[in-house]
Amino acid sequence: NAGVTQTPKFQVLKTGQSMTLQCAQDMNHNSMYWYRQDPGMGLRLIYYSASEGTTDKGEVPNGYNVSRLNKREFSLRLESAAPSQTSVYFCASSERLYRDSNQPQHFGDGTRLSIL
Amino acid sequence: SQELEQSPQSLIVQEGKNLTINCTSSKTLYGLYWYKQKYGEGLIFLMMLQKGGEEKSHEKITAKLDEKKQQSSLHITASQPSHAGIYLCGADPRGSNYKLTFGKGTLLTVNP
Repeated sequence: NAGVTQTPKFQVLKTGQSMTLQCAQDMNHNSMYWYRQDPGMGLRLIYYSASEGTTDKGEVPNGYNVSRLNKREFSLRLESAAPSQTSVYFCASSERLYRDSNQPQHFGDGTRLSIL
Repeated sequence: SQELEQSPQSLIVQEGKNLTINCTSSKTLYGLYWYKQKYGEGLIFLMMLQKGGEEKSHEKITAKLDEKKQQSSLHITASQPSHAGIYLCGADPRGSNYKLTFGKGTLLTVNP
């Protein structure tokens, strides 16, 4: 059972370089999310996709772009990496059939990104 | 915006001891999730609470949501080294499940 798969697991970039983080889920979930986790700040939502074909900004979207490629895949792009974007990035997904039904989010193992 | 306060920030217990972690919300909780994270790994979903007064258990871990739906507790009975990790609570404040807000986590160490 793969669940949510993120690639790569580790990456080091130089300031100004671009990079795309990949995320795929095999649970047929409608909604997908990107978070970053920083010491003392906890988990913060960057972007989310409620369903295929839609994306919306979260709490900290500046410096990032996303693409919901299809129902399975949701990528996060850093166009011009900055040291402040050094973080651990998590992708998550959840089933979202009914508005009043809460469904847990399931997380990938994360991508550890360092920007020098 | 929804804020979640977790306490304590860290906890060190001896194996076999019981412990409680709290999560307090500034607003009514429509859904409260507990996750566990081991160092360097992703978040593992533990339990979800939705109704005031609800209580759920999984193995030796019990989570409760108070009647006012503003506070949740996670209780571990007879702790083991395998319980060590970071416990995070996450709240869905409006029932939308789109913008899950997390507490900053509680680091649990269990000494053998």
